[in-house]
Amino acid sequence: ETGVTQTPRHLVMGMTNKKSLKCEQHLGHNAMYWYKQSAKKPLELMFVYSLEERVENNSVPSRFSPECPNSSHLFLHLHTLQPEDSALYLCASSQDRDRGQFFGPGTRLTVL
Amino acid sequence: GESVGLHLPTLSVQEGDNSIINCAYSNSASDYFIWYKQESGKGPQFIIDIRSNMDKRQGQRVTVLLNKTVKHLSLQIAATQPGDSAVYFCAENGGSNYKLTFGKGTLLTVNP
Repeated sequence: ETGVTQTPRHLVMGMTNKKSLKCEQHLGHNAMYWYKQSAKKPLELMFVYSLEERVENNSVPSRFSPECPNSSHLFLHLHTLQPEDSALYLCASSQDRDRGQFFGPGTRLTVL
Repeated sequence: GESVGLHLPTLSVQEGDNSIINCAYSNSASDYFIWYKQESGKGPQFIIDIRSNMDKRQGQRVTVLLNKTVKHLSLQIAATQPGDSAVYFCAENGGSNYKLTFGKGTLLTVNP
């Protein structure tokens, strides 16, 4: 257990569905991250929140919408995704900007 | 462009041997580096980090070496065990806040 939990662990959705991924960190960190991990590709940073303010938006399509209601919770709202969006979506947290990031187990997303 | 890469995509060792996993980075502005371990079906696990003001850092059975002259990072695992079998990848911060650039990873297989 890393102190970062993600739900659901697996998700299958159609292209017209709306779903949300949830992340919660129990480490008292002040920064949270969403990453996408596709097969045979390096981890891709999607969004960064620091103290509930978005500080990075890495040219992610608008069909991905993040939400950070407080420093312990992070959501990724999904809408009208494409099959190529199928991947492992990882949440991470860190204490400050220059400390190690700790990852959750990920949500395996399949878009049909 | 700037990138983080790994010299060896796969590494197979005998149980009890020492393992060395290498990483090359090209962003001279990077001043913080992390090694992660990712087992099948799990999120990346923080192993050890090092800042650019250090050349070497030791943890439990692991040592990270940083050679800034040739922009090279290595992870040494002593007395490798079957439980060490995983994908290992390095990450660099590129001198920027929050953003980490990850390598593609090296698959370490430990033979009993």
